[in-house]
Amino acid sequence: DTAVSQTPKYLVTQMGNDKSIKCEQNLGHDTMYWYKQDSKKFLKIMFSYNNKELIINETVPNRFSPKSPDKAHLNLHINSLELGDSAVYFCASSQRGQAFSGNTIYFGEGSWLTVV
Amino acid sequence: AQKITQTQPGMFVQEKEAVTLDCTYDTSDPSYGLFWYKQPSSGEMIFLIYQGSYDQQNATEGRYSLNFQKARKSANLVISASQLGDSAMYFCAMRGSNDYKLSFGAGTTVTVRA
Repeated sequence: DTAVSQTPKYLVTQMGNDKSIKCEQNLGHDTMYWYKQDSKKFLKIMFSYNNKELIINETVPNRFSPKSPDKAHLNLHINSLELGDSAVYFCASSQRGQAFSGNTIYFGEGSWLTVV
Repeated sequence: AQKITQTQPGMFVQEKEAVTLDCTYDTSDPSYGLFWYKQPSSGEMIFLIYQGSYDQQNATEGRYSLNFQKARKSANLVISASQLGDSAMYFCAMRGSNDYKLSFGAGTTVTVRA
């Protein structure tokens, strides 16, 4: 069973469209994340939810909106897609609701978004 | 804020040899965790090894070991007996005691030659 799964894996869409990426984890973790990996492979945190509560909201255009219906799911909705949104988006999760430096963050396989 | 520096953009290593990937960090947190991840060409992020700042011994996981030098703020990854399947990008990451997130370095690409 895949621990952190995200869909779709590949997404090609036109500028201006709205799209969503879904993420589910079956690890029983309390905290989930969205990371963005740009064309230079740099990974940057976008959002994090702890028990359905938004705890990290980095400087991200408000066209990006995360939603966590329950602690096992964290979806990412993107409005009015732009060329610069093309990237790999990783969902991730970690154990325990408290910030603890030793808790490993486990990643999904990534969603390749291409905006044309 | 945490800062992770990986100064080697790319490295070549001969099969069966060892390779060391450099990672230095900067933080004001007294307690923190250091992580290494592997990203093969297929794209997934694979957790390799973890070192806590108060751990007395260097972490080891199979062929992976972490050379942790706290005073120098370095956490180098050593891969022993390299295999062709080790060809990938490797990321050093850090999490402070009050951080929910991991902060990543820029990554090092390792290519293992037969």
